Amino acid sequence: AQSVAQPEDQVNVAEGNPLTVKCTYSVSGNPYLFWYVQYPNRGLQFLLKYITGDNLVKGSYGFEAEFNKSQTSFHLKKPSALVSDSALYFCAVRDLNYGGATNKLIFGTGTLLAVQP
Amino acid sequence: KAGVTQTPRYLIKTRGQQVTLSCSPISGHRSVSWYQQTPGQGLQFLFEYFSETQRNKGNFPGRFSGRQFSNSRSEMNVSTLELGDSALYLCASSLAGTGSTGELFFGEGSRLTVL
Repeated sequence: AQSVAQPEDQVNVAEGNPLTVKCTYSVSGNPYLFWYVQYPNRGLQFLLKYITGDNLVKGSYGFEAEFNKSQTSFHLKKPSALVSDSALYFCAVRDLNYGGATNKLIFGTGTLLAVQP
Repeated sequence: KAGVTQTPRYLIKTRGQQVTLSCSPISGHRSVSWYQQTPGQGLQFLFEYFSETQRNKGNFPGRFSGRQFSNSRSEMNVSTLELGDSALYLCASSLAGTGSTGELFFGEGSRLTVL
C-alpha cells in the first residue's frame, strides 16, 4: 500500500533559523510527491512537487524540498524561517494504483510548524 | 484567474438531516476531488470526478455521494447526517486526467457542524 509518513506532529524553530519538516514515503513505483500548507480555517495551498529530474525542488514562499530515493524521503526545507510560515504542513503522494488515471493524493498526518519570534 | 470556490463556507445541521455542498473548479479544470478533514482522521479522500464520471471513490458509506456537471462544477451530498460527519470538506480541482502531474488546487472548504 502506498503511504506517506510525517514523523513529527510539531516542529518548533526560531525566526531566522533554517527549518526542516520531514516526510518519508512508501510507493511501488516512481513517486509523485507534493507539499501543501494549510493556514487556520483555510484550504490547502500547493507549495511544490517532485515528479522527476533534479532532486532539489524549489517552490513557493522560499520553500524547497529534497527528494532522496535511497532514504525514501522528501523533506521540506527553508533556509530562514519567518513567523508567517507558522502553519500546518502536509506531505502527499499521488496514488499510483490506478495506472495514472487518477489525481487522488494520499496525505500524511500533517506537521504543525511553529516559528517563534 | 479565479480559484476553487466552495459554498457554503459554514453550515450547521442536526442529526438525520442531509446536506449538499457545492464546488466550482478553476476554469479549464476538468477533475474535481473531495476530501474530508477531521482532527482525528486527517485528510480522507471521498471521491474524484472527471468529465462527469466518478473515476475513484474512497472508503466512505453510501450516505456520501457526489456528482459533476457538464461545466465541471461538482456537488457532494451527505444524507442522514451523523455527529461524526462534522468536518471540513475540501474540494480540489486539477487540470486533466491521465498523464497530468496531478497537483491539486483546493478551495477554502465547507465547515459542517452536525448537532
